[in-house]
Amino acid sequence: DVKVTQSSRYLVKRTGEKVFLECVQDMDHENMFWYRQDPGLGLRLIYFSYDVKMKEKGDIPEGYSVSREKKERFSLILESASTNQTSMYLCASSLSGSERAFFGQGTRLTVV
Amino acid sequence: AQSVTQPDIHITVSEGASLELRCNYSYGATPYLFWYVQSPGQGLQLLLKYFSGDTLVQGIKGFEAEFKRSQSSFNLRKPSVHWSDAAEYFCAVTGTASKLTFGTGTRLQVTL
Repeated sequence: DVKVTQSSRYLVKRTGEKVFLECVQDMDHENMFWYRQDPGLGLRLIYFSYDVKMKEKGDIPEGYSVSREKKERFSLILESASTNQTSMYLCASSLSGSERAFFGQGTRLTVV
Repeated sequence: AQSVTQPDIHITVSEGASLELRCNYSYGATPYLFWYVQSPGQGLQLLLKYFSGDTLVQGIKGFEAEFKRSQSSFNLRKPSVHWSDAAEYFCAVTGTASKLTFGTGTRLQVTL
């Protein structure tokens, strides 16, 4: 089965820190996604990538950037963490648009 | 811009009763549509998907959904709910551009 691995399950960072969230998938998927999940707001798309070095803004990209230097790895970067970025972050990958997405277990980030 | 609306934030049904969760989407071309379920503390699991062909699709755990292009809807149904179906349900839309957009979710509570 496809495996999407996020580097941390829980993370606590200080305001103003630069934060890196890493995601690796093992099935040669073209598409990778970063979401944040907050109660009552569902999954909101931050960024997605459809190929190496290609990225597209999602619905809430402000305060975030991404990097995809290798096909299997998609990194989310919080340039200067703020308390309103405290959330559950989910990474996902899919082979193509018509195929299902596979999700990592999530990283619960707390910014203090 | 593509979007998904799940108008019901929270639904409560009795065990054995039928269930319908509503999903309306906005997408400029033929969409690919998905329903995912998230149990407490668990990752997202795919229930079913539609990308072409028969507008009534069957999924796992006895769920089905019907794609109605004229109403821009993709409602999820189950004829008899089990207590283990209590979870949060997410509808999602994508297409050839690969952007995968989720709704805000519907939390299902099942009473015994």
